[in-house]
Amino acid sequence: DSGVTQTPKHLITATGQRVTLRCSPRSGDLSVYWYQQSLDQGLQFLIQYYNGEERAKGNILERFSAQQFPDLHSELNLSSLELGDSALYFCASSAQYGYTFGSGTRLTVV
Amino acid sequence: TQLLEQSPQFLSIQEGENLTVYCNSSSVFSSLQWYRQEPGEGPVLLVTVVTGGEVKKLKRLTFQFGDARKDSSLHITAAQPGDTGLYLCAGARGGGSNYKLTFGKGTLLTVNP
Repeated sequence: DSGVTQTPKHLITATGQRVTLRCSPRSGDLSVYWYQQSLDQGLQFLIQYYNGEERAKGNILERFSAQQFPDLHSELNLSSLELGDSALYFCASSAQYGYTFGSGTRLTVV
Repeated sequence: TQLLEQSPQFLSIQEGENLTVYCNSSSVFSSLQWYRQEPGEGPVLLVTVVTGGEVKKLKRLTFQFGDARKDSSLHITAAQPGDTGLYLCAGARGGGSNYKLTFGKGTLLTVNP
């Protein structure tokens, strides 16, 4: 157990639908990072939150949004899903010398 | 544009062999991190190198950060089947505990018994 909790572990949904992925960072970590991992693109940075505020944005589509709540857990919302959104989605929290990743959510859009 | 290029992309070797994987960039990073990822799991941090020219050893794994802090290598001595996995390098910009990592696409290592 890395201390970063992601739910659900697997998600299968149809095109056009909306899903919410949840992440709880390690106790005491204020930052949450979301990454998308696909076979052809590798790990792509989506967005970072720090203590409830958006800090950095990467290759995040407009159909995707995220937020971090006062208890520091974060949610990634994916809407109008397309087949190409099928991927592994990871969140991570950071300490000074490295990230701790959750075990990911595998999203399959059919 | 892929800021971090890892090579080789795939590597299949026999138990007991040595190997080196490379991580190259045209950008300077404040630190470089190596992770190993197993199927169905998130990446797990192996090491962070911070100083140009730094060498760190973790049992049979040796990590080196280039003098100009743009590239790194990972050398594994006497590889074992348990070393099988996806090895990812990641460059950090910024410091403290609030920084962004850019990942390479990884080297998929298979060590055959």
